[in-house]
Amino acid sequence: GESVGLHLPTLSVQEGDNSIINCAYSNSASDYFIWYKQESGKGPQFIIDIRSNMDKRQGQRVTVLLNKTVKHLSLQIAATQPGDSAVYFCAENIGSNTGKLIFGQGTTLQVKP
Amino acid sequence: NAGVTQTPKFQVLKTGQSMTLQCAQDMNHEYMSWYRQDPGMGLRLIHYSVGAGITDQGEVPNGYNVSRSTTEDFPLRLLSAAPSQTSVYFCASSYVGLARVNTGELFFGEGSRLTVL
Repeated sequence: GESVGLHLPTLSVQEGDNSIINCAYSNSASDYFIWYKQESGKGPQFIIDIRSNMDKRQGQRVTVLLNKTVKHLSLQIAATQPGDSAVYFCAENIGSNTGKLIFGQGTTLQVKP
Repeated sequence: NAGVTQTPKFQVLKTGQSMTLQCAQDMNHEYMSWYRQDPGMGLRLIHYSVGAGITDQGEVPNGYNVSRSTTEDFPLRLLSAAPSQTSVYFCASSYVGLARVNTGELFFGEGSRLTVL
């Protein structure tokens, strides 16, 4: 079955450093991947997405990398700020015509001042 | 613009009771879905809908019913609550393109925390 997993449950970084959050997926037919950020007590918020025909996509201070060979994607956050502290989820759209978005278990990012 | 609104925010039920979690969105999104979030489990898809009158099952549909009579509303019904349904429930919506494809950019509500005793 499909599964989306994150390598580390918790990541602690120093303010100003770059953060890298990793995610592995198992469904080679998946064609669309999304990163979400969830702050305490709130619903997840969309950060950035990437389609399977791309290797890299950049946003504001964030970059998503997709390696289809090893079924791995990562979220890079540049110059991490205290406001980046949250739980980060990768999600996999297992079929663009199914509407099924499958989430990983999440990585907690802690930013130390 | 309210976005996605869920009610109630908190609810305590006894085993066997029934209740409905309400979800409304004002963005004219065709796609709506319900997730549950448990500690260490991420978010799991319960049911989803790609438009009024159309619903389908997600990963964990048992014990839950949904209906979609309007574009704006997507209620989630628990017919006979069980302690295993203690969780935080999130409703989410998104735009569906011309090919009726969910874009993946889901807009989430603030969540409804349910405890079943």
